[in-house]
Formats: sequence, C-alpha cells, structure tokens
Amino acid sequence: DGGITQSPKYLFRKEGQNVTLSCEQNLNHDAMYWYRQDPGQGLRLIYYSQIVNDFQKGDIAEGYSVSREKKESFPLTVTSAQKNPTAFYLCASSVGGGSYEQYFGPGTRLTVT
Amino acid sequence: QQQVKQSPQSLIVQKGGISIINCAYENTAFDYFPWYQQFPGKGPALLIAIRPDVSEKKEGRFTISFNKSAKQFSLHIMDSQPGDSATYFCAASPGGFKTIFGAGTRLFVKA
Repeated sequence: DGGITQSPKYLFRKEGQNVTLSCEQNLNHDAMYWYRQDPGQGLRLIYYSQIVNDFQKGDIAEGYSVSREKKESFPLTVTSAQKNPTAFYLCASSVGGGSYEQYFGPGTRLTVT
Repeated sequence: QQQVKQSPQSLIVQKGGISIINCAYENTAFDYFPWYQQFPGKGPALLIAIRPDVSEKKEGRFTISFNKSAKQFSLHIMDSQPGDSATYFCAASPGGFKTIFGAGTRLFVKA
C-alpha cells in the first residue's frame, strides 16, 4: 500500500527538550511538506522540500528544523526555541508543486508540558 | 493578500439536506482551488478541486461552484449523510509549492 506514515501518533515532551517527528512516504513523490494544525486556524506551512537535499521555510518556520537526505523521508525537529509547540503536526507529499493533490499522513499530536 | 477566508466555522445539517461552505480569496494569482475533508484524528484527504477556467465541477454529491469575478468559491454537498460529518478545508494555490488553507468548517449531519 502506498502512502505516508507518521510516527508516533502521540508524543509527550517536557519543555526545553528537542523532539523529532518522523515522516516517511513510498509514493515516489518529489515534494514533501510539514504543516501545523491548531483549532480554528486551519493548516499552516512550516517547511517544504521540492527535492532531496533542498528545503524551504514556510510561513511559521521559527523554532523548527528539517532535513531531506532521502526522497522517502522528511523528519521535523521541534526545538526548544519554538514558543508554543503543542499542536497537531501533519506531513504531506505531492508529485509536484501546489497545483497538485497533497497526500497527508495521519498526523502526530505533540504535547509539551 | 495570501488569505483564504472560509465560512461558516461550523454547520449543522439534517440528513438529506444540502451543506454549503463558502470561501473567498484576494490573490488573483491563485490557479488551483482544492477542498480537503478531514475526519477526527486523521490527516486531510482531497475531496474535489477546480481550476479557474471552469465555473462548476461536480463529483457525485459534491459540487464546487467558482465565481472568478467575485473571487469566491463554494462547496455544496447534496443529500448530506451522517458519514459526511467532518471538517472541510478550502484551499488555494498560486502554483509553486505553497497552498493557503482556510480555517476549516466543522460539519455535523444529524440523522
């Protein structure tokens, strides 16, 4: 089955700790994205990657970092610099740019206390 | 302007009724307008999408109406069913790799 996997589904961390969220796809898509979802605010773009070894900041990149060493993988690190990290994080991929369907993973709910 | 404004925030419809969700945008460079459906605890999934060269697109019970001059587009769900209860997001893309999402509409269809 082709798709996107995110792990873990739920993640709990103490304030001040960095945490890495996993995202893997087997759709052979070049583009991958990370979004943050908060109640009543829709999806906001954190980072995106058009191709391996390349990534660009989205609208809310501060306090986050990413890497794209393999086509299949696009991990997101939530650093201690992120002021309000508790949220639902969604990874997505697409064949090409914004005019193509984005396929989303099931999400990771991060709670930082 | 990169915003996409979506309304209403929540919607309750009787089974068999029509659900209507509206979105408005300002950036005339947007050229792709998808709608995504999200069930609780899941990631969104593409429901239907339209490009600005057509005024309407229908797929089963779901229809997008597009008004380019008014910079508005809407989703109509005919014969709404309890299984349609979900959060719906409109979105718009100017090409490139950015998609702007609306804030979402929580739809509840009463049996």
